[in-house]
Amino acid sequence: GQQVMQIPQYQHVQEGEDFTTYCNSSTTLSNIQWYKQRPGGHPVFLIQLVKSGEVKKQKRLTFQFGEAKKNSSLHITATQTTDVGTYFCAGGPTGAQKLVFGQGTRLTINP
Amino acid sequence: DAGITQSPRHKVTETGTPVTLRCHQTENHRYMYWYRQDPGHGLRLIHYSYGVKDTDKGEVSDGYSVSRSKTEDFLLTLESATSSQTSVYFCAIRDSGRGGELFFGEGSRLTVL
Repeated sequence: GQQVMQIPQYQHVQEGEDFTTYCNSSTTLSNIQWYKQRPGGHPVFLIQLVKSGEVKKQKRLTFQFGEAKKNSSLHITATQTTDVGTYFCAGGPTGAQKLVFGQGTRLTINP
Repeated sequence: DAGITQSPRHKVTETGTPVTLRCHQTENHRYMYWYRQDPGHGLRLIHYSYGVKDTDKGEVSDGYSVSRSKTEDFLLTLESATSSQTSVYFCAIRDSGRGGELFFGEGSRLTVL
């Protein structure tokens, strides 16, 4: 079945440093979604990418969808303590009723 | 936040006992999902529903059953709980007409002793 791999599993940075997490799928995706889960909280939807090569920005967050629609990345510029949490990617093939989640990248920040 | 609530939020039970977790939504969304979250595994799909009485298995469905007798409620049942089912369970809903993003409940932490 479809697998979605996410790396790294953990990342610790100093506040102000940049952070990137990568997502790779074993199959072509119809779209990719990104979620953030704060410690002790529930996953919250951040964004969805649909088009091949698409790039979207949300303030300091930049999301990319690969040309082959099999990989994606989330880049945070100049991290802040509010960025702490686990970031998940999720995707599915065209017409899929269910999403497959990556294992997540847990981001911790030293203030 | 989307109108989705889970109950109970916390439960401790013993091996071999039945457990039912409830997910209730007020959004009238068609799709409902049950995930479990464990360290190192992310979110894994247990079962999902695409309508009343329409359900299907996810990637980790063994030992779990679900029911959806009305749009707003999706029940997850562990017929005979085992320690390996100790986890945090999240319910999620999706409105297929709005781009497909999931809205998650607050989670139910289950401990099986």
